Amino acid sequence: NAGVTQTPKFQVLKTGQSMTLQCAQDMNHEYMSWYRQDPGMGLRLIHYSVGAGITDQGEVPNGYNVSRSTTEDFPLRLLSAAPSQTSVYFCASSRTGTGNTGELFFGEGSRLTVL
Amino acid sequence: TQLLEQSPQFLSIQEGENLTVYCNSSSVFSSLQWYRQEPGEGPVLLVTVVTGGEVKKLKRLTFQFGDARKDSSLHITAAQPGDTGLYLCAGALSSGSARQLTFGSGTQLTVLP
Repeated sequence: NAGVTQTPKFQVLKTGQSMTLQCAQDMNHEYMSWYRQDPGMGLRLIHYSVGAGITDQGEVPNGYNVSRSTTEDFPLRLLSAAPSQTSVYFCASSRTGTGNTGELFFGEGSRLTVL
Repeated sequence: TQLLEQSPQFLSIQEGENLTVYCNSSSVFSSLQWYRQEPGEGPVLLVTVVTGGEVKKLKRLTFQFGDARKDSSLHITAAQPGDTGLYLCAGALSSGSARQLTFGSGTQLTVLP
């Protein structure tokens, strides 16, 4: 019963390095998203996708790229990491469709530190 | 400025006490959700409320959606140490759309034995 799987769980980067946070879900959900969680800020939406081949920006997209080549996978790329991107990142998925109240299923999170 | 304001930000109480957490906004939401997050894990959905004035109960937890669908509260009766965690409210600005889900900043609850 995997649900949403994120890797890695922990990562330390130096300023300017690049990396990809992986996210996979096995629930055949059309909607996938990435959030970052910072103390006192709640969860802020970075990017989201409503299906394979479709992505869109959320509240805080700068510095991040995403792609959605399959229904299952939704990687988040940091092209040139900055200390301001130190955070805990959560991938979440949801069914879409009429009458669905948008319940999000979250992964366990990826804690990123940028030095 | 947060679209959803939660209060209090931190709450520490003794086992057996009652508590209420508030989630307020100036915006009208089509639905509102409450999640609980434990350390090292992602948030898990507790309840979704969709109708103004709606009250839902989940064992010792009571959730209420305001009549105008701008606010919500979570009341816990006889809190237990297992209730410890970060409680997050999240409002949906359009029906059935997770893309329009906005989260509050959370209430960190600690229940002491």
